[in-house]
Amino acid sequence: DAEITQSPRHKITETGRQVTLACHQTWNHNNMFWYRQDLGHGLRLIHYSYGVQDTNKGEVSDGYSVSRSNTEDLPLTLESAASSQTSVYFCASSAGTGQPQHFGDGTRLSIL
Amino acid sequence: GESVGLHLPTLSVQEGDNSIINCAYSNSASDYFIWYKQESGKGPQFIIDIRSNMDKRQGQRVTVLLNKTVKHLSLQIAATQPGDSAVYFCAEKGGTDKLIFGTGTRLQVFP
Repeated sequence: DAEITQSPRHKITETGRQVTLACHQTWNHNNMFWYRQDLGHGLRLIHYSYGVQDTNKGEVSDGYSVSRSNTEDLPLTLESAASSQTSVYFCASSAGTGQPQHFGDGTRLSIL
Repeated sequence: GESVGLHLPTLSVQEGDNSIINCAYSNSASDYFIWYKQESGKGPQFIIDIRSNMDKRQGQRVTVLLNKTVKHLSLQIAATQPGDSAVYFCAEKGGTDKLIFGTGTRLQVFP
């Protein structure tokens, strides 16, 4: 069955370190998204991509970057981790506009 | 489990009763709406969607109602079961594929 997987599921790191979270989908979806979920804020969009070589900033993109070198993967990089980036991160994909987004099970990231 | 908010509105229902979860959306130009279910430690799971040219859509044990006049969306769950206990989010989509999520409602099912 097609799916979307995130790795790692849990990570602890130190401030200032570079961190990369992986997202891999096997649906061959063009659209991929990264969200963070925090107490009191719900899901907030970090970055998104509509296809290979396409990336766009979401509402909370500062301190994050993504790259899309193939259809299946959209890794999220924290260039210099900050404690404010401690959160749960979700990746999602969709077949296109007006189609539901399907989510992975998240990465819990703690920055000490 | 993963964080979904300590101060979420909570709906408590008895097993077997029907549940109605409400959501107010913000953009009158939104043309697509989705309901998600999120269990502890899991990502949001798609339940049902509806487009703005419809008022009602039914799935298995779930019905979504859309009232564009008052920008209101509801999710009805028939014969609620313990496995329905979760946080439920509505989401709206405007002109692009970006979704705007509500903060969620926690559904608790008791025997």
